[in-house]
Amino acid sequence: QVQLVQSGAEVKKPGASVKVSCKASGYTFTGYYMHWVRQAPGQGLEWMGRINPNSGGTNYAQKFQGRVTMTRDTSISTAYMELSRLRSDDTAVYYCAGVVVPAAISPDYYYYMDVWGKGTTVTVSS
Amino acid sequence: DIQMTQSPSSLSASVGDRVTITCRASQSISSYLNWYQQKPGKAPKLLIYAASSLQSGVPSRFSGSGSGTDFTLTISSLQPEDFATYYCQQSYSTLWAFGQGTKLEIK
Repeated sequence: QVQLVQSGAEVKKPGASVKVSCKASGYTFTGYYMHWVRQAPGQGLEWMGRINPNSGGTNYAQKFQGRVTMTRDTSISTAYMELSRLRSDDTAVYYCAGVVVPAAISPDYYYYMDVWGKGTTVTVSS
Repeated sequence: DIQMTQSPSSLSASVGDRVTITCRASQSISSYLNWYQQKPGKAPKLLIYAASSLQSGVPSRFSGSGSGTDFTLTISSLQPEDFATYYCQQSYSTLWAFGQGTKLEIK
């Protein structure tokens, strides 16, 4: 079945880096963008950026520019999100999310996130 | 960057009620608007895409409308399983964004 399996919870100290993985199965990993979304405790969803698994091209939200790096390994259908210079307010659940098949509504294609990982909890604490 | 604003931030309603949540974009996004439902401790679930298209498997009591800058999500008759937080999200620009969420609570 279509699924995204994320790596396990992490505890990091301020100033460190964290790298979260997301392994896709059941659909064409290189077909469409993979997105990363985070959610701080009790807060809303925050879009961090996306990677084109085919080309490796990335787009990052301005808030994370310079601190986030998204990569992929197509041989194992896995995307990665690395966040550096961690602060306490980076404590959050980090989700990967993708689209299996976009909607073709003539004359356009519409994209969304219809497959999600279960989330990876990252705790930043001294 | 395009900003998304939802209202209200929270809403109390009863089973059987009709509820409407509003989402406004800071500039026109045509119909590139998606809605998600999230329950505590779970990943979000896609409900509506392209402003008004119902995702497969989602009950028909959910509907979406709007284009340009103003959008609505309507639940025609609330069921107990609908109490959750709802988010709009734009996919018009290269940099996507979510609204801040609307928490739907039981009255």
